[in-house]
Amino acid sequence: NAGVTQTPKFQVLKTGQSMTLQCAQDMNHEYMSWYRQDPGMGLRLIHYSVGAGITDQGEVPNGYNVSRSTTEDFPLRLLSAAPSQTSVYFCASSLRDSLYEQYFGPGTRLTVT
Amino acid sequence: AQTVTQSQPEMSVQEAETVTLSCTYDTSESDYYLFWYKQPPSRQMILVIRQEAYKQQNATENRFSVNFQKAAKSFSLKISDSQLGDAAMYFCAYRSGSARQLTFGSGTQLTVLP
Repeated sequence: NAGVTQTPKFQVLKTGQSMTLQCAQDMNHEYMSWYRQDPGMGLRLIHYSVGAGITDQGEVPNGYNVSRSTTEDFPLRLLSAAPSQTSVYFCASSLRDSLYEQYFGPGTRLTVT
Repeated sequence: AQTVTQSQPEMSVQEAETVTLSCTYDTSESDYYLFWYKQPPSRQMILVIRQEAYKQQNATENRFSVNFQKAAKSFSLKISDSQLGDAAMYFCAYRSGSARQLTFGSGTQLTVLP
């Protein structure tokens, strides 16, 4: 198993550009989520999904869109990038019935200039 | 809403010594889970240890153990016999029993001195 994969690892955008951060998992996990990590603030939840076709907002959803058309993929879309979205983004997944383990991807470092 | 507080932005420990990282949380729920994650310079998030709120016994994983004080809402991590590879950012995290989302603290940067 590859686990949770994220692409790209690094990205630089100009203000106003759009892009999609990709996240995929091959563990047949129902639950997937996106977090952003900023210095001094830990990880904050952006959006999450409990299964294909079902998504919901987390703590900091503004400026981001998600969709879940398959169990494996959970892309995060930035429609019009802003400097405030400069951050490290993590995707995570887990089994619906799992009490414990969430598996994290390696992260994407995004810089918006 | 639940909050997780890590009041020590940075800590250092001498190799082979013991260090304790602090974490407090606020919740009105009775069913929840607590976690410590390690993030080395590679950025990978690694689960170190977990504690179920309904268990009175403190969790232990090799050199890592927790001091879970439910009434005080405190969840500290003790690292014994510290090794250079323990140097990392450590995050305390909370999860409600009815959800999968994690609420993280702001992290503690641990330096291990040779």
